[in-house]
This record gives sequence, C-alpha cells and structure tokens, in this order.
Amino acid sequence: SQQGEEDPQALSIQEGENATMNCSYKTSINNLQWYRQNSGRGLVHLILIRSNEREKHSGRLRVTLDTSKKSSSLLITASRAADTASYFCASGNTPLVFGKGTRLSVIA
Amino acid sequence: GAGVSQSPRYKVAKRGQDVALRCDPISGHVSLFWYQQALGQGPEFLTYFQNEAQLDKSGLPSDRFFAERPEGSVSTLKIQRTQQEDSAVYLCASSGGPGVSVYNSPLHFGNGTRLTVT
Repeated sequence: SQQGEEDPQALSIQEGENATMNCSYKTSINNLQWYRQNSGRGLVHLILIRSNEREKHSGRLRVTLDTSKKSSSLLITASRAADTASYFCASGNTPLVFGKGTRLSVIA
Repeated sequence: GAGVSQSPRYKVAKRGQDVALRCDPISGHVSLFWYQQALGQGPEFLTYFQNEAQLDKSGLPSDRFFAERPEGSVSTLKIQRTQQEDSAVYLCASSGGPGVSVYNSPLHFGNGTRLTVT
C-alpha cells in the first residue's frame, strides 16, 4: 500500500508559470521528502523537510509541511520545460513509502 | 562509481524462468532498498538491508522473490518462476554514508531494471 497521495495526478502548465503539487500522508513521520523522476530513469531526491519544520526553500523549490493536517505541498516557481517529470512525496520513516506521483508537463 | 548502478537495464523473461537483478550501491552506504514500480505508479517497497542484514522483507509479494546482500555491498534480487504480473521496473536505492543517520537520509536511486515477462 502507498502512504502518500499526490494531488493532482497530472498537471500541465506553460513555461514560466508556477506549479503546485500537494501530498497527503497517513501516519506520523520523522520527515517528508520530495523526489523527481524523469521518464525511464530512477528517482532523484529534491528536498527533505523535518517534522518540526513548516517551510523550506531550495532554489526554485518551496516545500511546506502541515503535520496537523498530514499534508505537504511542493511549489516550483518559474517553471522550465526541463521540469517536466513525475514528482513523488515520501514519508520519512524507514522504509520510505511513496505516493503515486504527480505528472508535470511544462510546455515551452 | 559515483551513483547506484543496476544491471541489466532491461530483461525479457519467458513465464516460468528465473531472473536475477543486480544492484551496486554507492560505496560506503549502509542501507539498501529494493522497490517495484508498475507503469504509472509510485515505487512500492519490497525489502531493506542494513549492511548484510535483511531488516524488512514485508513488501516481497510472494516466496518467489528473494533478495540477498551477503557482504553488505552488492545486492541481488532473484525472482523464481516469473509470472506476467512480475513485469515492472525494479529500483534499487542506497543511503546512509558514514556518520549519517539512516532515518533522515535521502535515498539515491539507480535507473532500474525493466523486467518484461512474456
């Protein structure tokens, strides 16, 4: 079974727009992580937010965490065609449990 | 090498054949994970090693699946008597270098082995 659920399942935007993806999870966590997967490749770690943090930034990425609602969001600002990929959240217990992902398409 | 390496990249097996999938983790990484990813889905956990010890194999779908990591580095996932429902991408990941907590450590994934059972 999968712990997290991303929303939306698919998202299509124009280059330069912002993309927001949401994640809900079921059990308590130590941290929450976001990963990106390009077609035919493995997952790449983007950012980790600890359970005592509410917001974290890394370049064009902004992640928020609301442990009371068991939810997180990933914002990609000023999107580029190269951001086209699937994005997964994963709850930070061992082993990590992944959601089904959001497929993001950025149109140039 | 710099990253996690998996081989073969693609494997086609006839139903009933046995297959072995190999994972070379990042040198020094303590933890090694196997995941199964069906088309359009997220990775599903199969099993987890800390050094040579298999700490969790709760995700293995049947007793046809077996994983080992005898010397605490390279790991092999073996599937016996393959079935069509075993067709998927099998991902390996490692984490937890020296001095890094395995509980807050990002996973480093290989590019996977795509298994097709015909």
